[in-house]
Amino acid sequence: SYELTQPPSVSVSPGQTAIITCSGDKLGNKPTSWYQQRPGQSPTLVIYRDIERPSGIPERFSGSNSGHTATLTISGTQAMDEADYYCQAWGSNSYVFGTGTKVTVL
Amino acid sequence: EVQLLESGGGLVQPGGSLRLSCAGSGFSFSNNAMIWVRQAPGKGLECVSFISSSGDNTNYADSVKGRFTISRDSAKNTLYLQMNNLRAEDTAVYYCSKSRGTFEPLDTWGLGTMVTVSS
Repeated sequence: SYELTQPPSVSVSPGQTAIITCSGDKLGNKPTSWYQQRPGQSPTLVIYRDIERPSGIPERFSGSNSGHTATLTISGTQAMDEADYYCQAWGSNSYVFGTGTKVTVL
Repeated sequence: EVQLLESGGGLVQPGGSLRLSCAGSGFSFSNNAMIWVRQAPGKGLECVSFISSSGDNTNYADSVKGRFTISRDSAKNTLYLQMNNLRAEDTAVYYCSKSRGTFEPLDTWGLGTMVTVSS
């Protein structure tokens, strides 16, 4: 089955840049989405088709995808960005989610 | 406003059954694939099942195949998940979400409904 691997945690200081990676076989060939899940809330789409931002998502969220790794970048991280982040792509004939990364804003 | 609202969760004994519902509003229900995603306590997201916009195609995670059945009623704008022979490992928050197609993102999520399987 297709698997997506993320680092369990990323720590960042307010105003700095957080980088979250998502690794999977030939992931660069698959449109990848990213979801933010704040504590006690449902997931929210923050990036789709590798680089696109839904309306209402701040410009500080950006994405890229090449080779075997997709990346979510949060520039100028704010306290409100502290959350779990999941990548997602289509694989094994289903929607596959990454293992998740907890972003802590110190 | 696009909304998804799940219902039907609760406490059930191992081997029991539950039917989850998800009511959609504010969008063209019949033009969207619908997906059930679950999250066990303290764990990540898992796609449990999805159904195509037409209802002709369905898919299940191996962990629920043969026990869960997904269906949709476009006249009622409602998605269902019939869960039979429930196990302790099915304990999770179950989210309903929608997607415009196979390679499209899950663009809207419901608030979720908690299913607890315990004796």
